[in-house]
Amino acid sequence: AQKVTQAQTEISVVEKEDVTLDCVYETRDTTYYLFWYKQPPSGELVFLIRRNSFDEQNEISGRYSWNFQKSTSSFNFTITASQVVDSAVYFCALSEFGSSNTGKLIFGQGTTLQVKP
Amino acid sequence: EAGVAQSPRYKIIEKRQSVAFWCNPISGHATLYWYQQILGQGPKLLIQFQNNGVVDDSQLPKDRFSAERLKGVDSTLKIQPAKLEDSAVYLCASSLDFGSYEQYFGPGTRLTVT
Repeated sequence: AQKVTQAQTEISVVEKEDVTLDCVYETRDTTYYLFWYKQPPSGELVFLIRRNSFDEQNEISGRYSWNFQKSTSSFNFTITASQVVDSAVYFCALSEFGSSNTGKLIFGQGTTLQVKP
Repeated sequence: EAGVAQSPRYKIIEKRQSVAFWCNPISGHATLYWYQQILGQGPKLLIQFQNNGVVDDSQLPKDRFSAERLKGVDSTLKIQPAKLEDSAVYLCASSLDFGSYEQYFGPGTRLTVT
């Protein structure tokens, strides 16, 4: 069965600190996609990244970086030099590419990040 | 490019009443999703449309929830009658097609059932 676990419920850091949000997933499919979304206080989910299961290269986008490790079924997200505007709930999600391949997203519980000035 | 539009943004009703939510996806997006997000949890898919056909409604409580997507564009989600446990944010999302495409979410409708 597919499942996404974000063990960290809440994280609080001081501005300019680096912070890593953990994501562990379970799937039987060999082909799948992993996503990170940001949900600011306004409530709208904002797409951050999509990664397919065949691409284990780490990715960096500005202050954001993602570490995908199939061996540990993890897709962790690091914010470097955090800013107050990074305060939000972050969701990791899984989409299987098996026989159903509907694009349905399975979300984790979310990690609330608070960045204090 | 206009994003996904939803209305109303907030709704308060009493249990056993009915309520309807509306969603207008991004132009040209064939796939439309309705998610339910209970406070403190991640969104959970209720129903998925591909154009005006249902792809997945396995987690939709069909005894009280219904949804339609007429003409493959706008969609409405209805709850009748509402229960206290239906209090949640209802998110609409759309994607170019189903599969691996990223989904773009609307601002959501926050429903409170008293």
